[in-house]
Amino acid sequence: EAQVTQNPRYLITVTGKKLTVTCSQNMNHEYMSWYRQDPGLGLRQIYYSMNVEVTDKGDVPEGYKVSRKEKRNFPLILESPSPNQTSLYFCASSLTQVKNTEAFFGQGTRLTVV
Amino acid sequence: TQLLEQSPQFLSIQEGENLTVYCNSSSVFSSLQWYRQEPGEGPVLLVTVVTGGEVKKLKRLTFQFGDARKDSSLHITAAQPGDTGLYLCAGPSGYALNFGKGTSLLVTP
Repeated sequence: EAQVTQNPRYLITVTGKKLTVTCSQNMNHEYMSWYRQDPGLGLRQIYYSMNVEVTDKGDVPEGYKVSRKEKRNFPLILESPSPNQTSLYFCASSLTQVKNTEAFFGQGTRLTVV
Repeated sequence: TQLLEQSPQFLSIQEGENLTVYCNSSSVFSSLQWYRQEPGEGPVLLVTVVTGGEVKKLKRLTFQFGDARKDSSLHITAAQPGDTGLYLCAGPSGYALNFGKGTSLLVTP
């Protein structure tokens, strides 16, 4: 089954404790991205990757890091989480960055930073 | 970042009613997409519209792309409880996909 898998689904952590949210896709997609979804603000892009070893900032990259060492994986790293990073996070992938391509989303990771 | 404004923000209707939700921008988009997101899930693509004036139908859902490619609408005929969800429009901006804030639809039996 074609899918984007995020882990964990739920995470509660303390301020400053480094964490990684994993994302994996099994569709051989080139393009992957991370979004955060907040009430009243909608979905905002954090980082994206057009292929292995090619990443770039989205609209809200501060406080986040990513890496793309393999085509299928695109982890999101919070080196020192803060309460304002409490949010619902989604990983997405698409075949290419061509504009009309469908984006496939994971089921989301609900992160709470206390 | 090209902004997409969606209206209404919330909509609560009864089963069998018709409704239209809107997605507007001051910018021209090469294409627009509509996604539906159910609670606890990620968004799922419904349709992509590419040509100005284009109309696409998906069962009881009708999508239209404005002639000037600055706006789009989604019309649902005879809404059902299974249509409940968050409807998001999205358009490309550089290498990103920008989303509107969505219309939250509740259809009650």
